Amino acid sequence: RKEVEQDPGPFNVPEGATVAFNCTYSNSASQSFFWYRQDCRKEPKLLMSVYSSGNEDGRFTAQLNRASQYISLLIRDSKLSDSATYLCVVIVRSNDYKLSFGAGTTVTVRA
Amino acid sequence: DTEVTQTPKHLVMGMTNKKSLKCEQHMGHRAMYWYKQKAKKPPELMFVYSYEKLSINESVPSRFSPECPNSSLLNLHLHALQPEDSALYLCASSQASPAGGGRGHTEAFFGQGTRLTVV
Repeated sequence: RKEVEQDPGPFNVPEGATVAFNCTYSNSASQSFFWYRQDCRKEPKLLMSVYSSGNEDGRFTAQLNRASQYISLLIRDSKLSDSATYLCVVIVRSNDYKLSFGAGTTVTVRA
Repeated sequence: DTEVTQTPKHLVMGMTNKKSLKCEQHMGHRAMYWYKQKAKKPPELMFVYSYEKLSINESVPSRFSPECPNSSLLNLHLHALQPEDSALYLCASSQASPAGGGRGHTEAFFGQGTRLTVV
């Protein structure tokens, strides 16, 4: 079983729509959780950290469910510029700083 | 300043060449990483340095040789590569807490990558 799994999509949504997707992790000792965004042929860029209480940054909302071992990302009022691959990243405390990546979820926002 | 700088941005090398990739950060981060990314795939971890010591080597072939001269610099020395090693090589850094203690890991910041082509 992979350490981190994501629905690859693609999610193809119209502008203004809401899109949400999850990421599951297998190791219950996972400690830190992040969403990164990666544009084609560019480096991953941090979108947001995911906290136990859930957190929001503008149109983006991240949730963590430790009991079911998943994190989620919700994008409201989608913009064309939100089109990207969203990577889920998990760090296991005992794994000496190793970031484990999901395969990424592709989102395409159409006009 | 949340910048990780990688050089060169592009590199074409022959299978008999020796080259080096360089990475620099001045955020005081004590964990630094090398990742390899192929098209339409997520980044794959190669090496992790924490406090200038190699802490993780993900069974990377010896034709890739990492080096951490100091807390701000990370190099990846390349020798006798194969065409299938062509990829985007990403460097990243993050704050690091000592293993088994501290408040945990903070987010990692990535450089723009070196796009390597082996011919």
